[in-house]
Amino acid sequence: GESVGLHLPTLSVQEGDNSIINCAYSNSASDYFIWYKQESGKGPQFIIDIRSNMDKRQGQRVTVLLNKTVKHLSLQIAATQPGDSAVYFCAENRGAGNMLTFGGGTRLMVKP
Amino acid sequence: GAGVSQSPRYKVAKRGQDVALRCDPISGHVSLFWYQQALGQGPEFLTYFQNEAQLDKSGLPSDRFFAERPEGSVSTLKIQRTQQEDSAVYLCASSFSSGNEQFFGPGTRLTVL
Repeated sequence: GESVGLHLPTLSVQEGDNSIINCAYSNSASDYFIWYKQESGKGPQFIIDIRSNMDKRQGQRVTVLLNKTVKHLSLQIAATQPGDSAVYFCAENRGAGNMLTFGGGTRLMVKP
Repeated sequence: GAGVSQSPRYKVAKRGQDVALRCDPISGHVSLFWYQQALGQGPEFLTYFQNEAQLDKSGLPSDRFFAERPEGSVSTLKIQRTQQEDSAVYLCASSFSSGNEQFFGPGTRLTVL
């Protein structure tokens, strides 16, 4: 079935470097995407979102890029810090109630 | 204000027991969602409420799963005759209205022995 998925299950970066986490989606009708951060023992925490009428959106140290042609989503984290270590999920918001469809997650590990 | 809270945070049940998981959404949030998260996986949608109305329960894995939100605020997810495959973290999320950002609670980790 149609789903949201991720290319890399684990990403290890040096503190201070930039991180890029990728996500592929298969439902071309999807119009809203969200990146969540989940730390151990906690629920997912909203990071940034983007609608399908945009290609790029920037937040504080984070940027989300959307390529609708190849149905690809990425999260860029600038100057990665130890506190960024977590599992990151992309999610697709669709359906009448706007429930979220999540990918499998990428674990980001930041080396000091 | 306070975020979404869930209780208990951890629950251990023997196979065959019934369990009830509680979610207190953010005050004033109309929409409430339940998700199931297996170890190492992303959350999967179970069911959705708008106020007290359960508008979508397509994600409930079997008729052993039942959710309610009788007064449009607190919600309870009940699992009858628990099985080992029910072991997971159960996440609750609420949003001001449909289509708005969803705020997640910390989850309840259910372990069925």
